[in-house]
Amino acid sequence: SQTIHQWPATLVQPVGSPLSLECTVEGTSNPNLYWYRQAAGRGLQLLFYSVGIGQISSEVPQNLSASRPQDRQFILSSKKLLLSDSGFYLCAWTNPWSEAFFGQGTRLTVV
Amino acid sequence: AQSVTQPDIHITVSEGASLELRCNYSYGATPYLFWYVQSPGQGLQLLLKYFSGDTLVQGIKGFEAEFKRSQSSFNLRKPSVHWSDAAEYFCAVGHTGNQFYFGTGTSLTVIP
Repeated sequence: SQTIHQWPATLVQPVGSPLSLECTVEGTSNPNLYWYRQAAGRGLQLLFYSVGIGQISSEVPQNLSASRPQDRQFILSSKKLLLSDSGFYLCAWTNPWSEAFFGQGTRLTVV
Repeated sequence: AQSVTQPDIHITVSEGASLELRCNYSYGATPYLFWYVQSPGQGLQLLLKYFSGDTLVQGIKGFEAEFKRSQSSFNLRKPSVHWSDAAEYFCAVGHTGNQFYFGTGTSLTVIP
């Protein structure tokens, strides 16, 4: 069966520090991968999606970047965090004709 | 451009009452439609999905949703709400797995 791992679960980082959140998928190949951010009262905002290794599409220009170094690995990064980067980050994967499957999320607090 | 609208930010219902959460979408092709539920601090769990066929879809936990193409809607319903249904509910639209978009969510409070 397919599983998705996302870590860490919580993170507190100072303003200006770097960020790296990792997401890996097991039990499937060539999935579409997604990073979402959920800010309080603002729903789920699609940040990045990827249809293959090295292929990244950005939905919203911002302080973050994403990379897909391997088929089932998706990384969300920042060189310098801003206070506005605080939120709940969710990784997800889909295959064609399927629903999205989500990780348990990372609560990021930038202080 | 694709979009999903959930007009109700917050809904309060009494336990045992019926529930309907609204969802409207804008999509150029035939959409795939989904409802997810999120408990506080958790990921999202799929309640039900519509790809094609019967427009009334049954899901988990007693939920159902009806796809109405003429109204571009996919409203979620439950005949009798339980206290454990209190959560955030998200409608989503996708197509062949690319660009999966969510609405802003509806927060459900259930009062005894």
